[in-house]
Amino acid sequence: QSALTQPASVSGSPGQSITISCTGSATDIGGYSFVSWYQQHPGAAPRLLLYDVNDRPSGVSHRFSGSKSGNTASLTISGLRTEDEADYYCNSYTSTSPLGVVFGGGTKLTVL
Amino acid sequence: QVQLQESGPGLVKPSETLSLTCNVSGGSISDYYWSWIRQAPGKGLEWIGRGFISGVTYYNPSLRSRVTLSLDASKNQFSLRLNSVTAADTAVYYCARNPHGSNWFDYWGQGTLVTVSS
Repeated sequence: QSALTQPASVSGSPGQSITISCTGSATDIGGYSFVSWYQQHPGAAPRLLLYDVNDRPSGVSHRFSGSKSGNTASLTISGLRTEDEADYYCNSYTSTSPLGVVFGGGTKLTVL
Repeated sequence: QVQLQESGPGLVKPSETLSLTCNVSGGSISDYYWSWIRQAPGKGLEWIGRGFISGVTYYNPSLRSRVTLSLDASKNQFSLRLNSVTAADTAVYYCARNPHGSNWFDYWGQGTLVTVSS
């Protein structure tokens, strides 16, 4: 199963908003409203930010929001903070295997 | 608070079998699906597979022929076996909880680095 496509890097200044895209196909993002996003700081395990496109687990800031259109999902971070600098990964179900899951390649966010 | 902890050898020889265990505390493994996910050095995340206490398992097609997942309710732990390993299997291996058989993972272990080398 092919990985979802994310930009390798994005950057922004404190206080700004940025958006990270995650592009798949009709067999994953386009076929389900089951996209999730993760934040990973260096040397740490990934942390769940969003699930089911735009649902936030308890404790995740409202500055993180998600959307989906067709085969592309997006993560928007508003009011950028220096601590948001990290790698971000999307994932989705895939119909190419039973209850299969596919991740994006990851996006490095730099807060300038 | 649910906590997951991976354990197992940090070094495995090529062609041998990688075996890892994830110990779960703060909750029962019987109520959720549990997954293994790996991350090669400097690379992205790769889902390996998931299992449920009933014995049902689902695997990444690219690894299916070499992977076995199992769960042990009596020990509240689940395990990964990956056979015929090569250097390409060198990675940090994470165990994670998978609510409702969904695509998302809400609790993760800290990860354990497994290096495949002679």
